[in-house]
Amino acid sequence: QVQLVQSGAEVKKPGASVKISCKASGYIFTNYAVHWVRQAPGQSLEWMGWIRSNTKPSQKFQDRVTITWDTSATTAYMELTSLRFDDTAKYYCARGPLTGRDGIDVWGQGTTVTVSS
Amino acid sequence: DIQLTQSPSFLSASVGDRVTVSCRASQGIGSYLAWYQQNPGKAPKLLIYAASTLQSGVPLRFSGSGSGTEFTLTISSLQPEDYATYYCQQSNNYPVTFGGGTRVEI
Repeated sequence: QVQLVQSGAEVKKPGASVKISCKASGYIFTNYAVHWVRQAPGQSLEWMGWIRSNTKPSQKFQDRVTITWDTSATTAYMELTSLRFDDTAKYYCARGPLTGRDGIDVWGQGTTVTVSS
Repeated sequence: DIQLTQSPSFLSASVGDRVTVSCRASQGIGSYLAWYQQNPGKAPKLLIYAASTLQSGVPLRFSGSGSGTEFTLTISSLQPEDYATYYCQQSNNYPVTFGGGTRVEI
């Protein structure tokens, strides 16, 4: 069964960092990209970046986000630094194709990050 | 960045209705468009990719069409489980972008 299981909810103070993990199973990990997408309360989905053979964060987050993976552990990670109140959101990892028009077909359950003083 | 504008943002419909959601891209994206369904508190679910290809396991009442800048998601006969928010997403250009969403309610 193909699935992505994310780490648990986090509460952080402004200026801190958060690192979320995403454990993949049921498929050949390196045959797909891993995307990171976030959703603030009541808002739309916002793409943060992806990793495949290389990593490419969105320019909006380029200075604050680091996406990595451990292929031996079939786990991807997303670290967001210098947290602000508006980083409060649910963060998803998701599986996508390396190339082509196939969509993002498998999603993790989401990790809620709350930034609060 | 490519902007995706969905319309309407909110839609009220009854069971059995034919429902259409539009997604307009700020520049041409070929057929690099996907549609997702999201229920409250849940992760998005892929419905359609490559503008018109139905994802495995998705009911046939869902269909997608369009290319270039204009795209449409159609639900031929709305079912109770279809009440959700729908998003379009493009992957033709970096960065990947999503539309603002269309909420379908009774």
